[in-house]
Amino acid sequence: NAGVTQTPKFQVLKTGQSMTLQCAQDMNHNSMYWYRQDPGMGLRLIYYSASEGTTDKGEVPNGYNVSRLNKREFSLRLESAAPSQTSVYFCASSPREKLFFGSGTQLSVL
Amino acid sequence: KNEVEQSPQNLTAQEGEFITINCSYSVGISALHWLQQHPGGGIVSLFMLSSGKKKHGRLIATINIQEKHSSLHITASHPRDSAVYICAVTRGGADGLTFGKGTHLIIQP
Repeated sequence: NAGVTQTPKFQVLKTGQSMTLQCAQDMNHNSMYWYRQDPGMGLRLIYYSASEGTTDKGEVPNGYNVSRLNKREFSLRLESAAPSQTSVYFCASSPREKLFFGSGTQLSVL
Repeated sequence: KNEVEQSPQNLTAQEGEFITINCSYSVGISALHWLQQHPGGGIVSLFMLSSGKKKHGRLIATINIQEKHSSLHITASHPRDSAVYICAVTRGGADGLTFGKGTHLIIQP
């Protein structure tokens, strides 16, 4: 039982490059989330998925897209990375209200 | 004004001291969470509260729904308690939690 698995752990991109952050959970949770964490800002919700086949925007969705491929997997895509997207990204899943977090992805956009 | 406010932002204490971290919120909630994040590490859930008090080892969390306030206490603090402690609330919707900015705690030997 791995919990929430998030890849990669580190990534450096050049402005304009694209990439996909992968997230998978093996706890059969319906809800999955993508957050970003910036110094002095706290965690902010990018997108969430309340169930397989549905996705919704959070507080800071601009510049991102998501896919809920199946119940286990929820990916976050940056189509054209910008320096403002330099951040630490966390995926999380939830059976109802308690959150289980992945280990985070440290992304730098140069 | 942020919906979730934590105090203090930073706290340095000596090993063995009793630690209190406070959280105030301005919206109606269905539950409040305390989370712990170690340097360079992931985030783990410590407590989920909707009323009263919970205890786990040396950690105690309390909530006063009428006053919209929660506290996290650490008894007999230890250097391994050094971490960022994050308060978060949920209003019961599908969009998850709203987070405070965290309290950075350092326990010196």
